[in-house]
Amino acid sequence: QKEVEQNSGPLSVPEGAIASLNCTYSDRGSQSFFWYRQYSGKSPELIMFIYSNGDKEDGRFTAQLNKASQYVSLLIRDSQPSDSATYLCAVATSGGSYIPTFGRGTSLIVHP
Amino acid sequence: GAVVSQHPSRVICKSGTSVKIECRSLDFQATTMFWYRQFPKQSLMLMATSNEGSKATYEQGVEKDKFLINHASLTLSTLTVTSAHPEDSSFYICSARQGPDTQYFGPGTRLTVL
Repeated sequence: QKEVEQNSGPLSVPEGAIASLNCTYSDRGSQSFFWYRQYSGKSPELIMFIYSNGDKEDGRFTAQLNKASQYVSLLIRDSQPSDSATYLCAVATSGGSYIPTFGRGTSLIVHP
Repeated sequence: GAVVSQHPSRVICKSGTSVKIECRSLDFQATTMFWYRQFPKQSLMLMATSNEGSKATYEQGVEKDKFLINHASLTLSTLTVTSAHPEDSSFYICSARQGPDTQYFGPGTRLTVL
């Protein structure tokens, strides 16, 4: 059973701070890693994907992947109240036909 | 990113009726689409994988005769909830896969069965 674990939160950070969201996965053969943002009552929106160890930056977002430790994280710099949402981690493997396994999500609250 | 549409966005129906939800990939072809269900404050639950031109693959516990999926073209998949009951009320979300592994989600359909 492939598992993707996330702390449900809520993670509360002040506006302007760095929000750090973490995700661990059980399948060591995982190859593709995704972060989605889901606002309340809306569908998930793809923020970033990462395939290789290390950091990948896109604007205020940085995804970090460590395959040896089987974790992937998302950093949000200069957090804004509009970043308040649930962040879903998803992991996929070719052996699983690239059907991603989603974590339950971490709720982020950015307070002014 | 790629655009996926879903229609209708919201539907209210009487118990016992059937409801069809459409999912379209607007700017790319998707050989694979996925259907999810999400209850309030719960995680996404994959219902089935829809492959163009072939039968859908249903997840364990999902009734294929109740949730009919048709993927007639590379840009359209439909989910029909047959003989809907109040316990089927949920947020139904489709996604379309672009490339080998990247999914883009539709905006979702909120179904309320009275």
